[in-house]
Amino acid sequence: DVKVTQSSRYLVKRTGEKVFLECVQDMDHENMFWYRQDPGLGLRLIYFSYDVKMKEKGDIPEGYSVSREKKERFSLILESASTNQTSMYLCASSGTGANQPQHFGDGTRLSIL
Amino acid sequence: DQQVKQNSPSLSVQEGRISILNCDYTNSMFDYFLWYKKYPAEGPTFLISISSIKDKNEDGRFTVFLNKSAKHLSLHIVPSQPGDSAVYFCAATINTGNQFYFGTGTSLTVIP
Repeated sequence: DVKVTQSSRYLVKRTGEKVFLECVQDMDHENMFWYRQDPGLGLRLIYFSYDVKMKEKGDIPEGYSVSREKKERFSLILESASTNQTSMYLCASSGTGANQPQHFGDGTRLSIL
Repeated sequence: DQQVKQNSPSLSVQEGRISILNCDYTNSMFDYFLWYKKYPAEGPTFLISISSIKDKNEDGRFTVFLNKSAKHLSLHIVPSQPGDSAVYFCAATINTGNQFYFGTGTSLTVIP
């Protein structure tokens, strides 16, 4: 079974702090993704990566950056946290090739005070 | 611009009856469609998928139907069970690409 592990289930930070969210997958997947989930808005893609050191902007990249130094690890960085970044953050991974579903971690509930 | 839409935010169904969740999409290039189930405080889990070369895929109590001309897919759960109560997301992708597009979700409540 694919395992996607997010480092924290719950996180509370202050406005202006730099925040790191970590994600690790154990299935040697090429593709990794960061989403945020907000009520009524569903899952919105922040960034994704299709290879080590490669990254692509998703639909809402503003205020975020990412890092992928190793294939199994994909980090989301909030450069200067703001209250409107309070949300549920979900990491996912998938293989390449046809008909490959994404596999998700359990999410990080981030609160910015 | 929402390319995948779930117009019903919530649905309630009696245990044992059929649950039908609907999803519409706008991009005719999408060729792979998926349904995910999400419990509170957990990540979405993959439920069932369908390729655009098919119009139906079945897995136990779950069946997904695809109507390409209408750009519509639906998930049928028969019979519905209380453990099916969750938020269901549909998603679509172009198989040559990497990006998945998700709907806003439908919260299903199965009443015992």
